[in-house]
Amino acid sequence: DGGITQSPKYLFRKEGQNVTLSCEQNLNHDAMYWYRQDPGQGLRLIYYSQIVNDFQKGDIAEGYSVSREKKESFPLTVTSAQKNPTAFYLCASSAGLAGGETQYFGPGTRLLVL
Amino acid sequence: AQSVAQPEDQVNVAEGNPLTVKCTYSVSGNPYLFWYVQYPNRGLQFLLKYITGDNLVKGSYGFEAEFNKSQTSFHLKKPSALVSDSALYFCAVKQGSARQLTFGSGTQLTVLP
Repeated sequence: DGGITQSPKYLFRKEGQNVTLSCEQNLNHDAMYWYRQDPGQGLRLIYYSQIVNDFQKGDIAEGYSVSREKKESFPLTVTSAQKNPTAFYLCASSAGLAGGETQYFGPGTRLLVL
Repeated sequence: AQSVAQPEDQVNVAEGNPLTVKCTYSVSGNPYLFWYVQYPNRGLQFLLKYITGDNLVKGSYGFEAEFNKSQTSFHLKKPSALVSDSALYFCAVKQGSARQLTFGSGTQLTVLP
């Protein structure tokens, strides 16, 4: 069963704590993405990666970090520097960055602050 | 720069009636256009896309969209709405040279029984 998995489904963060969201894909896609979704604002790009060991900042990268050590995995860390982390986080992947490649999305992780 | 607008936050339609969800875009050059659907607390599901060729694009679940270059629009349509079509719909655009997809703010579709 091919697709994108995200874990956990819900995540709680305490003040000053870093938390890591997992994203795994078995679609053999080169490109992976992290988006943040807030009510009424659509999706905003946090980071994207075109290939292993390479990643680029999106529109709202401050307070977040990523790594891409394996093709299948693109974890996102929400650091304590992110002052308003409560949101729905979506991971996506596509065959490549160029042209009209379709992005496919995981089920999402909802992050809440205690 | 690329941008996309969904002018209606909410669209209500009766079951069995045709539905339209509007999308307009702004890009330099030729656009790639996408529609996605999101059910509550779920990820986005791909419905259809326009790359080139026929202006009428057919997608999943009976949805279709018409690319109109002169009006810079890509409206989503379905001839007969179902209650199960009730969801949040996103339009997205990418200009040819861009690396990023830009999403609209979404339109909440409610199909009334």
